[in-house]
Amino acid sequence: KQEVTQIPAALSVPEGENLVLNCSFTDSAIYNLQWFRQDPGKGLTSLLLIQSSQREQTSGRLNASLDKSSGRSTLYIAASQPGDSATYLCAVSWDSNYQLIWGAGTKLIIKP
Amino acid sequence: DAGVIQSPRHEVTEMGQEVTLRCKPISGHDYLFWYRQTMMRGLELLIYFNNNVPIDDSGMPEDRFSAKMPNASFSTLKIQPSEPRDSAVYFCASAYDRGVNSPLHFGNGTRLTVT
Repeated sequence: KQEVTQIPAALSVPEGENLVLNCSFTDSAIYNLQWFRQDPGKGLTSLLLIQSSQREQTSGRLNASLDKSSGRSTLYIAASQPGDSATYLCAVSWDSNYQLIWGAGTKLIIKP
Repeated sequence: DAGVIQSPRHEVTEMGQEVTLRCKPISGHDYLFWYRQTMMRGLELLIYFNNNVPIDDSGMPEDRFSAKMPNASFSTLKIQPSEPRDSAVYFCASAYDRGVNSPLHFGNGTRLTVT
């Protein structure tokens, strides 16, 4: 069964720290992996999408890596800010038809 | 671009009533998705369309749920009759098919409460 797991469920760190969020998945034959953030009462915002053939993607202070062989992706956030506080979800597609399997998310709190 | 637009933002209704949720995808996007989010079950894909055609509705929980996409700029999700266990946040999302998957763009959701 194809599953996506995000641990921990919640994380609290002081402002300014670099941090890593984890996403693991069964079955290494993925099509792509996406990282999203969700703010309370809002929809999800796509942060980074990594195609199967790629190893990482970067956007500003965010870097997402993909290691298919180990079934893992990490989202690295540099120099964290209170505005980064949100729930971060990863979603994996194993086919080209947008059938995403979602992790439960990691709730991140950045303390000023 | 205004993004994906959903209405209403909040809906409170009594059990047994019909509920219609609306979505306007981003112009030019080929795919449209309806998701439901609850604390217990997280995000669940209900149905998705490609070029206005329903591709997979296996996530639709029961016959009480139906979705339509009469044109490229509008979709509805209808629940009839509604039940308290349908209470959730319903999201619409759209995406552009570039040959490889492009990111999903979500609306702000409709929070449905069925009493």
